[in-house]
Amino acid sequence: DIPMTQSPSSLSASVGDRVTITCRAGQTISNYLNWYQQKPGKAPNLLIYAASTLQTGVPSRFSGSGSGTDFTLTITSLQPDDFATYYCQQSYVTPYTFGPGTKVDIK
Amino acid sequence: QVTLKESGPALVKPTQTLTLTCTFSGFSLNTYGMRVNWIRQAPGKALEWLARIDWDDDKFYSTSLKTRLTISKDASKNQVVLTMTNMDPVDTARYYCARSGEQIVWAYFDYWGQGTLVTVSS
Repeated sequence: DIPMTQSPSSLSASVGDRVTITCRAGQTISNYLNWYQQKPGKAPNLLIYAASTLQTGVPSRFSGSGSGTDFTLTITSLQPDDFATYYCQQSYVTPYTFGPGTKVDIK
Repeated sequence: QVTLKESGPALVKPTQTLTLTCTFSGFSLNTYGMRVNWIRQAPGKALEWLARIDWDDDKFYSTSLKTRLTISKDASKNQVVLTMTNMDPVDTARYYCARSGEQIVWAYFDYWGQGTLVTVSS
């Protein structure tokens, strides 16, 4: 199995802040990396796939980058609706694996 | 419009077998590339992928749980069933089904059900 790590595990930020979350794969996964947002009591929502492709309907303040083992999710100007937990997931090979999540809360 | 909905018991006893059904609409598991996955999330914990079944009936399982899991489909009914044997309190979680295959290469989960909470307790 490919282990996935994320940093930080949590962060506090203000509306308008630029936020960056890092995800690292235990082995190279090319760009088979997806990002999800999850709010309490809700199912995850796909934000970005293939490391940098924005899912339809996702605001452009979200962006992704990286390849190989190191990836980042950036929110350029944090909005009130963005306070949530973010997960990365590798789809390079089964069994698929998720990162442990990064919780973004209000400073 | 793609929708998925999970159903099954809310409470199971330790050692029992859990059977969950994912009923979906808006796509067909007879269509090339379509896949349905099961993912769970224990309270306060991260997401954990469990299993996948493909349009061609290929099946894939979590390494740690593969001896306990069986996934099957009834494409004519638009349903996918997951069974998990020998349930334990640590299996208490919300269980989600999710679609992948819109772009078969990338295998992302683009539609999710609301999830069903399963508690394992005597």
